[in-house]
Amino acid sequence: GAVVSQHPSWVICKSGTSVKIECRSLDFQATTMFWYRQFPKQSLMLMATSNEGSKATYEQGVEKDKFLINHASLTLSTLTVTSAHPEDSSFYICSARPPGASGYEQYFGPGTRLTVT
Amino acid sequence: KQEVTQIPAALSVPEGENLVLNCSFTDSAIYNLQWFRQDPGKGLTSLLLIQSSQREQTSGRLNASLDKSSGRSTLYIAASQPGDSATYLCAVEANSGYALNFGKGTSLLVTP
Repeated sequence: GAVVSQHPSWVICKSGTSVKIECRSLDFQATTMFWYRQFPKQSLMLMATSNEGSKATYEQGVEKDKFLINHASLTLSTLTVTSAHPEDSSFYICSARPPGASGYEQYFGPGTRLTVT
Repeated sequence: KQEVTQIPAALSVPEGENLVLNCSFTDSAIYNLQWFRQDPGKGLTSLLLIQSSQREQTSGRLNASLDKSSGRSTLYIAASQPGDSATYLCAVEANSGYALNFGKGTSLLVTP
């Protein structure tokens, strides 16, 4: 099946610094990738839709200047958490779906655990 | 706005039991529904995907059903094993290419 990777798998950073998380589709091209956030014991909440070659679409309540998304190529989207604060500590997961016929599953990356101290 | 609800929030059963996890969604106009498994601190593993035109899907000991008109899906796990212990998430896709809308999950513990 299709594979989506994320890097790093976990990161600890100090408050006020920026952190970049990469999401790659390894064996397919994805014009659209999704970024989700999951707080402890909560479900996944969509943060933004990353579109190759254009600006990301952010969900209501998600600060676009804080969570910078760059879909640099058809296989790579990056999420940069700028000026991170402890409340940004969360599990960040990306997903993508191979293009083609309808009904395909969305494939999720393994997630990135961010801890801001 | 689509809301996805999963019941129960947590479930503990002895090994060998058959069990049913429930998922309901408020807007029946969905494209497909997926069931995922999430182990603690890990990412998602897709278990089953049911397209809106289908009524059920089976994989091994897992069977998922979909009643789109009533906004419900069930995940049936037969002969549960301790290795089945995880959180099970239900998610709906409103239209092709859209993001998924997730429920909060059912935390399952299967005791030996």
